[in-house]
Amino acid sequence: EVQLVESGGGLVQPGRSLRVSCAASGFTFDDYGMHWVRQAPGKGLEWVSGISWNSGSIGYADSVKGRFTISRDNAKNSLYLQMNSLRAEDTALYYCAKDRGVGTTYFDYWGQGTLVTVSS
Amino acid sequence: EIVLTQSPGTLSLSPGERATLSCRASQSVSSNYLAWYQQKPGQAPRLLIYGASSRATGIPDRFSGSGSGTDFTLTISRLEPEDFAVYYCQQYGSSPKLTFGGGTKVEIK
Repeated sequence: EVQLVESGGGLVQPGRSLRVSCAASGFTFDDYGMHWVRQAPGKGLEWVSGISWNSGSIGYADSVKGRFTISRDNAKNSLYLQMNSLRAEDTALYYCAKDRGVGTTYFDYWGQGTLVTVSS
Repeated sequence: EIVLTQSPGTLSLSPGERATLSCRASQSVSSNYLAWYQQKPGQAPRLLIYGASSRATGIPDRFSGSGSGTDFTLTISRLEPEDFAVYYCQQYGSSPKLTFGGGTKVEIK
């Protein structure tokens, strides 16, 4: 059974940093691209960042480019999102999502999310 | 960046009725790389449709997707009580820049 479990969320002050993680199991992690998708309270879905199976291809939404860094450790079946210079508008539930493979960047499995709140 | 506009924002229907949801793209979606998701309160999104018209594993056949280019539709042939939720479209034709639509809420009339 595929499982994606996010962790690391919490309350952080504006301008500070936070790293969220996603532990994956139930599939061959290094065969698939992985992504972060966020959802602000009461709002819609926003793709944040994605990384290919071998970290050779990485993309970011314009809203986070230059502030967030995605990475993965295939030996640990883990995905990470380092978030720097956090802003109030980054407050959201951050979901980890698995894609279907090369050229198929839609999401067949999602975690339950980790909540990041940016506030003083 | 491809902008996806979903309409209507809210659809008020009764169980057993047909639901038709629209997703319009600001430019043509390459290879009809469009997916649909369902999200219920307090839950993660669930993949329904990919490639504009292919149902994901385990999705009932009352859900169908159609369309091409810039206009796409999700149809629920007969609404079941568990189908009342928010639905999102997502394009992946301009990977790695992926975008979602703003969502359509299907509520009980």
